[in-house]
Amino acid sequence: GQNIDQPTEMTATEGAIVQINCTYQTSGFNGLFWYQQHAGEAPTFLSYNVLDGLEEKGRFSSFLSRSKGYSYLLLKELQMKDSASYLCAVMDSNYQLIWGAGTKLIIKP
Amino acid sequence: DGGITQSPKYLFRKEGQNVTLSCEQNLNHDAMYWYRQDPGQGLRLIYYSQIVNDFQKGDIAEGYSVSREKKESFPLTVTSAQKNPTAFYLCASSIEAGSGANVLTFGAGSRLTVL
Repeated sequence: GQNIDQPTEMTATEGAIVQINCTYQTSGFNGLFWYQQHAGEAPTFLSYNVLDGLEEKGRFSSFLSRSKGYSYLLLKELQMKDSASYLCAVMDSNYQLIWGAGTKLIIKP
Repeated sequence: DGGITQSPKYLFRKEGQNVTLSCEQNLNHDAMYWYRQDPGQGLRLIYYSQIVNDFQKGDIAEGYSVSREKKESFPLTVTSAQKNPTAFYLCASSIEAGSGANVLTFGAGSRLTVL
């Protein structure tokens, strides 16, 4: 079966750096997405990786290793507004998205 | 501003009743989707539509129905046949389906509670 694994919850301190991991086993691979979702709100797109390596976008970076079935989202200079759930999703060979359950990130002052 | 509008935001239903959730987009996107979000689980696809007057079942279509009569609109009906309908429902759209960099734009969601 297809599976996406991410930690359920993480806690970090304001101003620090946090890395949220995502491992996947899917039927084929056509890219990996990260979305941010504040409680009770719409998920919003953060990043898309299809090739191995690091993609940097401001305070957020996303890394992909296709051979290891592994990605991480790196958040730097954490702010209180970064408290949210972070969803990892993989597009399989049929261009269907497989979603992880999300990682709830709690930022403490 | 372009976006997706879902209504109502909160909805209460008695057992045995059908309810319809509205989803409207003004992004000129061809593809639209309905997902269900439950605590501790990933988003699960209910139905999707790639073009007007065409739609496909997702992983958990039983107990749900949709229509796509206009490009902008993709309403979801939760029927009495859905055994556990209490959930957060998310509508999304994308420029097209079936491509790699298929970024989804989501609506703010509708929370359905069955009393």
